[in-house]
Amino acid sequence: GIQVEQSPPDLILQEGANSTLRCNFSDSVNNLQWFHQNPWGQLINLFYIPSGTKQNGRLSATTVATERYSLLYISSSQTTDSGVYFCAVGGSYNTDKLIFGTGTRLQVFP
Amino acid sequence: GAVVSQHPSWVICKSGTSVKIECRSLDFQATTMFWYRQFPKQSLMLMATSNEGSKATYEQGVEKDKFLINHASLTLSTLTVTSAHPEDSSFYICSTGRLPGQNNSPLHFGNGTRLTVT
Repeated sequence: GIQVEQSPPDLILQEGANSTLRCNFSDSVNNLQWFHQNPWGQLINLFYIPSGTKQNGRLSATTVATERYSLLYISSSQTTDSGVYFCAVGGSYNTDKLIFGTGTRLQVFP
Repeated sequence: GAVVSQHPSWVICKSGTSVKIECRSLDFQATTMFWYRQFPKQSLMLMATSNEGSKATYEQGVEKDKFLINHASLTLSTLTVTSAHPEDSSFYICSTGRLPGQNNSPLHFGNGTRLTVT
């Protein structure tokens, strides 16, 4: 099956810093989503981005499907950005069946 | 977008008892739902695909007799953890599949259920 690796596994930032999170996947995908899991476990959908670039406020994401990676950019980080960020992909045959990456745990300190 | 309601948000049960978790699609009829499990400090792993009106499809390594899935209506899937043991303590979360023609929209998840077996 598809393998999904994220880097870095852990990231510690001071408030106001920028960061880039990476997601590599091993095969073609027709679905890619970035999630933020808050301390209560809720998965907040950030982007649906199987290809291309999207921006939403301080967050943006780019997926280069042909090279099998996606990037999540967080600018001017805030303490509320803390949590775990997951990318999840859906393969060609069943795009609704998501395979989650290993996650990046982000801690933002004031 | 789809709204998914999951209940309960947390449950504590004694070893040997069974626990039922509900996942509801609130704004559309979901023929397919998915159940995931997340152990502490780990990623989410797909357990099974719940199919309305037919048997669930389980991922390799997931015991179908232990994790009973029922998808009796187009808006409700239930996961029952039977004869729960402490090692079943985990975070369980569901998502709905998308309707045909919605392949360019994101998948939505419930808020999850934290199960603790004592």
